Amino acid sequence: ETGVTQTPRHLVMGMTNKKSLKCEQHLGHNAMYWYKQSAKKPLELMFVYSLEERVENNSVPSRFSPECPNSSHLFLHLHTLQPEDSALYLCASSQGTGYGYTFGSGTRLTVV
Amino acid sequence: GEDVEQSLFLSVREGDSSVINCTYTDSSSTYLYWYKQEPGAGLQLLTYIFSNMDMKQDQRLTVLLNKKDKHLSLRIADTQTGDSAIYFCAEAGFPSGSARQLTFGSGTQLTVLP
Repeated sequence: ETGVTQTPRHLVMGMTNKKSLKCEQHLGHNAMYWYKQSAKKPLELMFVYSLEERVENNSVPSRFSPECPNSSHLFLHLHTLQPEDSALYLCASSQGTGYGYTFGSGTRLTVV
Repeated sequence: GEDVEQSLFLSVREGDSSVINCTYTDSSSTYLYWYKQEPGAGLQLLTYIFSNMDMKQDQRLTVLLNKKDKHLSLRIADTQTGDSAIYFCAEAGFPSGSARQLTFGSGTQLTVLP
C-alpha cells in the first residue's frame, strides 16, 4: 500500500449506468488528482484539487464529475460513459501542487 | 502545451546497466521525477532531482540532468529482472499557467532479459 487507496480495483459498467470511483489518502497531503491512463497514450491529467478547491479541469467531458468533500477523499462520479472511456483511472496526492505525487493502484474501468 | 518525450521500449540483459532517456520543453521546470509502474499497479516514485542539480545518485539509480539541453536520464546499474516495468519521466512546471502540475512522458517499457 502506498498511502493512497482506490476502490474499486476493477469496475465493469454499461453505458447507461452511474457509478463512482473513490480515492482516500491519509498522508496529510493537501492536493489530489485524477489521471486517466489509456493503452499507448501518455497519462492524461483530468482534475486537480488543492485545499479542496478544484484548480484544474482539463477539458474533461461532463460525464465525469469530480467531488472532493475533504482533503482526504476524492471521488469521480461517472454517468453515461462511452466505450472509449475504458482505461485505468489513477488517483494521486501531494503536499503542494506539482511536487512528488503518491499514486494509488488505480481502478481498471471497462465500459460495455 | 509542455511536452515530455521518452522512447517507448528498451531491452537489456540481466546484470547490464540500463539508461532511460527523457527530453522536456518546459524551461520553468523545478523538479524532475522518475516513476516506475509495474503491471496492474499505480506509479511508484523512484527518485527526483532539483533543477539546479546535474546529478543525483541513489543506490543503483543515477539521475543525470542537462538543463541546457533539457535532457534527463535514469541509469539503473546491475539491472535485475525485477526492474522490468514502465518508467515514466515527469517534470513539475506551470503548463497551463495556474496550479503547478506534473507533466508525464509516455513511459519507457524496460524489459530485462535473463
